[in-house]
Amino acid sequence: GQQVMQIPQYQHVQEGEDFTTYCNSSTTLSNIQWYKQRPGGHPVFLIQLVKSGEVKKQKRLTFQFGEAKKNSSLHITATQTTDVGTYFCAGRENYGQNFVFGPGTRLSVLP
Amino acid sequence: SQTIHQWPATLVQPVGSPLSLECTVEGTSNPNLYWYRQAAGRGLQLLFYSVGIGQISSEVPQNLSASRPQDRQFILSSKKLLLSDSGFYLCAWSVAARVYGYTFGSGTRLTVV
Repeated sequence: GQQVMQIPQYQHVQEGEDFTTYCNSSTTLSNIQWYKQRPGGHPVFLIQLVKSGEVKKQKRLTFQFGEAKKNSSLHITATQTTDVGTYFCAGRENYGQNFVFGPGTRLSVLP
Repeated sequence: SQTIHQWPATLVQPVGSPLSLECTVEGTSNPNLYWYRQAAGRGLQLLFYSVGIGQISSEVPQNLSASRPQDRQFILSSKKLLLSDSGFYLCAWSVAARVYGYTFGSGTRLTVV
């Protein structure tokens, strides 16, 4: 079945440093979504990517969908303590009913 | 606006006891409803989803069951809890997940002792 992987599992950065998490699917995706879960909270939808090679930005966050639509990345520029949390990607195959979530990347930001 | 309510927030239950977690959605009609489980430090595992009243699809065979007695109500149950049922249970809804993603409830942290 479809598998979605993320690396790294954990990332500790100093405030102000950049951060990137990578998402890889075992199959070609129709679309991919990203979520953020604050510690003790629930996942919150951030964005969806649909087109091959698509790049979207939300302030300091940049999301990219790979040309082959099998991978994606989330890059945060100049991290802040408010960026702390776990970032999940979720991918859906062309005829898939639901999205499959990756295991997430837990980001810690040291002030 | 749409809101999703999930309760209780935390629950400690002995092994072998029954379970009932409830989730309700307000402000929308005929939503797709989902139950996810998140083990400590792990990702989200889809347990059940429902596209309408009485329609339940199970993703993973297990000790749990789900029911949707009303359009905006989704219930997760177990007759006898196992230690391995411990985790963070999240209810979610969508009307067009392929466009707008899932909206999650605040979750129930279940500890089976």
